[in-house]
Amino acid sequence: AQSVAQPEDQVNVAEGNPLTVKCTYSVSGNPYLFWYVQYPNRGLQFLLKYITGDNLVKGSYGFEAEFNKSQTSFHLKKPSALVSDSALYFCAVRDLTGGGNKLTFGTGTQLKVEL
Amino acid sequence: DGGITQSPKYLFRKEGQNVTLSCEQNLNHDAMYWYRQDPGQGLRLIYYSQIVNDFQKGDIAEGYSVSREKKESFPLTVTSAQKNPTAFYLCASSLGQVSTDTQYFGPGTRLTVL
Repeated sequence: AQSVAQPEDQVNVAEGNPLTVKCTYSVSGNPYLFWYVQYPNRGLQFLLKYITGDNLVKGSYGFEAEFNKSQTSFHLKKPSALVSDSALYFCAVRDLTGGGNKLTFGTGTQLKVEL
Repeated sequence: DGGITQSPKYLFRKEGQNVTLSCEQNLNHDAMYWYRQDPGQGLRLIYYSQIVNDFQKGDIAEGYSVSREKKESFPLTVTSAQKNPTAFYLCASSLGQVSTDTQYFGPGTRLTVL
């Protein structure tokens, strides 16, 4: 079965510092990986996805993610964090078992950016 | 949130009652999904539909039912058989069945059982 793990429940970073939110995956076949962000009491917003090609994927709001096949990781990064980046971040992997276009999500990482 | 609307935003239900959550999209997407979100558990798939008049169970379908009579609409009914229905419910849609398609989410409905 496809799965993703987000090993940190919370990440704290100072504004202006680089941030990393970690994600590791386990899939059979090609990994299709996604990052979403959720603000309180809101739906999920799509940030970026890795399908194939360059290992560094650029997305919305200055975020990027690095795909590492040997380490089975897909960490989300941003060079300079903003207080407004504080939110809940989800990593997800495409689940092709049984057909269909399903996503399996990690448990989420709460990012807190402080002044 | 884009072109996906969910209503109501908040819903309160007494035990033993069925309730229906609405999800509508104007993105001309073929595929639609329902997820349940509980604190610390991420999102779990309830049902999904790849095309009109067709749907499949997800990982936690027990106590839920859906219909897909129109391309734009995918309502979810939470029945009295669902033992712990209090949660945040999210609807999503994607262009089609291609595995690289992105899912886009609605704003969610928070259901509380009194």
